[in-house]
Amino acid sequence: ELKVEQNPLFLSMQEGKNYTIYCNYSTTSDRLYWYRQDPGKSLESLFVLLSNGAVKQEGRLMASLDTKARLSTLHITAAVHDLSATYFCAEGDSGGYQKVTFGTGTKLQVIP
Amino acid sequence: DGGITQSPKYLFRKEGQNVTLSCEQNLNHDAMYWYRQDPGQGLRLIYYSQIVNDFQKGDIAEGYSVSREKKESFPLTVTSAQKNPTAFYLCASKDTPWTHEQYFGPGTRLTVT
Repeated sequence: ELKVEQNPLFLSMQEGKNYTIYCNYSTTSDRLYWYRQDPGKSLESLFVLLSNGAVKQEGRLMASLDTKARLSTLHITAAVHDLSATYFCAEGDSGGYQKVTFGTGTKLQVIP
Repeated sequence: DGGITQSPKYLFRKEGQNVTLSCEQNLNHDAMYWYRQDPGQGLRLIYYSQIVNDFQKGDIAEGYSVSREKKESFPLTVTSAQKNPTAFYLCASKDTPWTHEQYFGPGTRLTVT
């Protein structure tokens, strides 16, 4: 059974600071996804990581994947208020149906 | 504009009633998915469909039913057998089951009293 754990579950940080969200997953999958969700809204795809060592960056967010450690990180650089949201990582099943298992999410609050 | 639509945005029902949530996509995607989200939780997979006239149970299918008679439509029925149906329901689609990019609809918030 796929299991995805994120930490921290809640993160309050000041604008301008850096921080990292961690995502541990249970299998040797090489498919890891990051999503953003604003309150009451749907999910927006941020990153798709498909191989060991993959690193992707978009603005102040950078995601990486270490399949040997079964760990993905989402690093936030010089946070701004607009980044306040809940961030989910999700592990992709490498089997035929490509099921995706989501973590519980990290609620990020950036304080001006 | 291509995308996924879910209606209605908010839905209220009395306990014991079945209710059907709509999901339509005009992206010509083969695969469609239904997820449930509870407050402070991640998404859990209810049902998914790879192609028309085929669907599979996800992790929490009990008390739910689906149909996939048309490629663009994947309605979800929440039956009276679902013990705790109040939740936020999200529909998603992918170009093919093996595509990595998953697109989500805006969601339907169902409240059962």
